[in-house]
Amino acid sequence: AQTVTQSQPEMSVQEAETVTLSCTYDTSESDYYLFWYKQPPSRQMILVIRQEAYKQQNATENRFSVNFQKAAKSFSLKISDSQLGDAAMYFCAYRRSSGNTPLVFGKGTRLSVIA
Amino acid sequence: SAVISQKPSRDICQRGTSLTIQCQVDSQVTMMFWYRQQPGQSLTLIATANQGSEATYESGFVIDKFPISRPNLTFSTLTVSNMSPEDSSIYLCSVGQSFQETQYFGPGTRLLVL
Repeated sequence: AQTVTQSQPEMSVQEAETVTLSCTYDTSESDYYLFWYKQPPSRQMILVIRQEAYKQQNATENRFSVNFQKAAKSFSLKISDSQLGDAAMYFCAYRRSSGNTPLVFGKGTRLSVIA
Repeated sequence: SAVISQKPSRDICQRGTSLTIQCQVDSQVTMMFWYRQQPGQSLTLIATANQGSEATYESGFVIDKFPISRPNLTFSTLTVSNMSPEDSSIYLCSVGQSFQETQYFGPGTRLLVL
């Protein structure tokens, strides 16, 4: 069974600084998708970024980028120029590529942004 | 991306009663997923709902407790039956298309059982 591990229950960052959230996963599949979701206090799950395992290039979305290390099964999220609105729970998630399968989530990392 | 709505957004219920949560999508989707998020926890999959067939439940979740309907490609319901305080959670529906790798979530239903 696939598992996703987020080893940092809480992180904090100064406004305008950069922070990296860690995520590792375990799978025997060779093709899959990885995601970072943000959950603010409203509880809405918001997609931050997505990575296809077959792509070597790391995904980037504005201030958000990932460091995808397939051999190490590592998928970290870097937030640059942190803003107060980035404060939220961040969940790393895995999904097999075959069929329309559900997501497997890590336990989450609570990010605080200090003004 | 799909636009997903859920009703109710929140509710307070008495133990022993049942609550039905509705999930409506603005486009046709093949698969719908129901997740539970207990306080301070991550999301746990309850079941997968495919239109025209019985829902598939994850270990630890049973149809008698969480019956699901999927009458068409844009709608699903999840019922939380015979509720106890341990059922107090946020319940989220999620949708995905077979050709679309990303899953999108509804706003969630926050349930408190007294």
